[in-house]
Amino acid sequence: DAKTTQPTSMDCAEGRAANLPCNHSTISGNEYVYWYRQIHSQGPQYIIHGLKNNETNEMASLIITEDRKSSTLILPHATLRDTAVYYCIVRESDSNYQLIWGAGTKLIIKP
Amino acid sequence: GAGVSQTPSNKVTEKGKYVELRCDPISGHTALYWYRQSLGQGPEFLIYFQGTGAADDSGLPNDRFFAVRPEGSVSTLKIQRTERGDSAVYLCASSSGLAGANEQFFGPGTRLTVL
Repeated sequence: DAKTTQPTSMDCAEGRAANLPCNHSTISGNEYVYWYRQIHSQGPQYIIHGLKNNETNEMASLIITEDRKSSTLILPHATLRDTAVYYCIVRESDSNYQLIWGAGTKLIIKP
Repeated sequence: GAGVSQTPSNKVTEKGKYVELRCDPISGHTALYWYRQSLGQGPEFLIYFQGTGAADDSGLPNDRFFAVRPEGSVSTLKIQRTERGDSAVYLCASSSGLAGANEQFFGPGTRLTVL
């Protein structure tokens, strides 16, 4: 079973920040938080990952709470092309093993 | 460079037939994964290769499913005696295989329809 819980769907206005929450209350000390997204009819795409510090890259920012039981993915200026299903996944470090996926959050960016 | 490619993009077959799905990973990636995805759900793990060997095949649903990676690059997922319940998008991903947290790069998937 997936180790994360996410809202089923969210809307966001184009140009605004999209904040996607994820709960992972059973996360262990050596598990990273990963975010992927899947645009309709495409394969999943990696966005970002982190362990305990906040992370930022050209796509998004990841904010992880101090107790690591939840995180938020932030798309700072959402565009219509950001409409996708967003998956939050936890996985052990030093591992090339499988990703265990939940159902994700369907994010719809509205003009 | 080229990403992960999968062929065919679509495959329609009849119940009971045999199918092969191909995955070309990113050059140099030693880790390769197969997942399948049903409509409205997240991907479901099937098998993971490290080099030529299957490091974890615990996700294969039954013995009708088999995958190979004979030279540590291209992989083929084989399904015997297909059933209607096998209809799904089959996704392949690869990663560098280096120790530590690293991302998986996904192909576009093969949509399998069993009539």
